Amino acid sequence: SQQGEEDPQALSIQEGENATMNCSYKTSINNLQWYRQNSGRGLVHLILIRSNEREKHSGRLRVTLDTSKKSSSLLITASRAADTASYFCATVSGSARQLTFGSGTQLTVLP
Amino acid sequence: GAVVSQHPSRVICKSGTSVKIECRSLDFQATTMFWYRQFPKQSLMLMATSNEGSKATYEQGVEKDKFLINHASLTLSTLTVTSAHPEDSSFYICSAGDSRNEKLFFGSGTQLSVL
Repeated sequence: SQQGEEDPQALSIQEGENATMNCSYKTSINNLQWYRQNSGRGLVHLILIRSNEREKHSGRLRVTLDTSKKSSSLLITASRAADTASYFCATVSGSARQLTFGSGTQLTVLP
Repeated sequence: GAVVSQHPSRVICKSGTSVKIECRSLDFQATTMFWYRQFPKQSLMLMATSNEGSKATYEQGVEKDKFLINHASLTLSTLTVTSAHPEDSSFYICSAGDSRNEKLFFGSGTQLSVL
């Protein structure tokens, strides 16, 4: 079952602009992860943020986590056409290692 | 980084046939593998959790006799779609992780089309 929702469902921006995607979830979590998926392909792990962390950076990616609001955001700075993909948040809860995915955001970066 | 290999990447079959999809962890031992199903423009839905040497745990609504999962070794899990029908057409993705790593690594997916 899906843990939560992502918004926007679709986002179209110009190359060089920043892209922000939001994810909300329903239950308490151990960690939250962001993945990228190119059309018809598998998923690529981008970044993991633990429940006791509030912000994390990796290159052009910045992730925030607000456990009080049960929400996370992914910011991609200085976007490139190659960033065009679907982005999913996924949560891990309890002792299980399975991921529960959000609904995803389709990002299109126009050259 | 860790690599998970999934084969085939694409399969087209006739209704009523069975299709086997393989998921291999190439450079680590995966005690647990997960199988997901994804419809076009939708999110991934967990089908089952595959544990090496034991029976798979299926999510609610997933028919265990329809989707047979075997995890006979620490590097290989297979999903067999038995007596496939057009409604089984979907993108199937596996993922695996080792005991030391919180991250999971995904296969490249299998696009199944049942005619």
